[in-house]
Amino acid sequence: EPEVTQTPSHQVTQMGQEVILRCVPISNHLYFYWYRQILGQKVEFLVSFYNNEISEKSEIFDDQFSVERPDGSNFTLKIRSTKLEDSAMYFCASSDGKGNQPQHFGDGTRLSIL
Amino acid sequence: RKEVEQDPGPFNVPEGATVAFNCTYSNSASQSFFWYRQDCRKEPKLLMSVYSSGNEDGRFTAQLNRASQYISLLIRDSKLSDSATYLCVVNRGYGNKLVFGAGTILRVKS
Repeated sequence: EPEVTQTPSHQVTQMGQEVILRCVPISNHLYFYWYRQILGQKVEFLVSFYNNEISEKSEIFDDQFSVERPDGSNFTLKIRSTKLEDSAMYFCASSDGKGNQPQHFGDGTRLSIL
Repeated sequence: RKEVEQDPGPFNVPEGATVAFNCTYSNSASQSFFWYRQDCRKEPKLLMSVYSSGNEDGRFTAQLNRASQYISLLIRDSKLSDSATYLCVVNRGYGNKLVFGAGTILRVKS
């Protein structure tokens, strides 16, 4: 069964450093997403991406965050200057359509900011 | 008011029991609805979509009441492997943003 893959599985970074989280969505999917989950809290939407542009972003997704689809397979989330409160599990997801098409999640990148 | 509300549990049930989870959502413009399950420190995995007519997948039955903005999940003949956190999830529509409930913890014991 096709799946969303994410790398790295765990990233440890000093506060203020830049990080790039990588995702390979399911190959025929057209919609891509990033979510995050702080330990012990619920999953929160960050951003959705379609046709090479952001469709929607949350208030969490401020100027420190950016997304990119640099080629036909990868989808990246960049945090420019990390803060302690960015420590969380980051999940990439993809879907093949809008609305009632479910989103399929990768197994996440655990980001730890020191 | 939270956009998606669930009873956090935990629900502690014996193997073979039937258990029901409920969820309410506040945004009447919500377009589609799902139940996901999440194991400890793992990704959310789609359990089933929820349709207005109600739908069943093996031991799992989901119901949606749009008028009451209420979603339910029924698990029959619980297995040890059903132990997980069950997430009620709503698609807001524009931008395909999924809004997650905080989850209901299920523990099935032998």
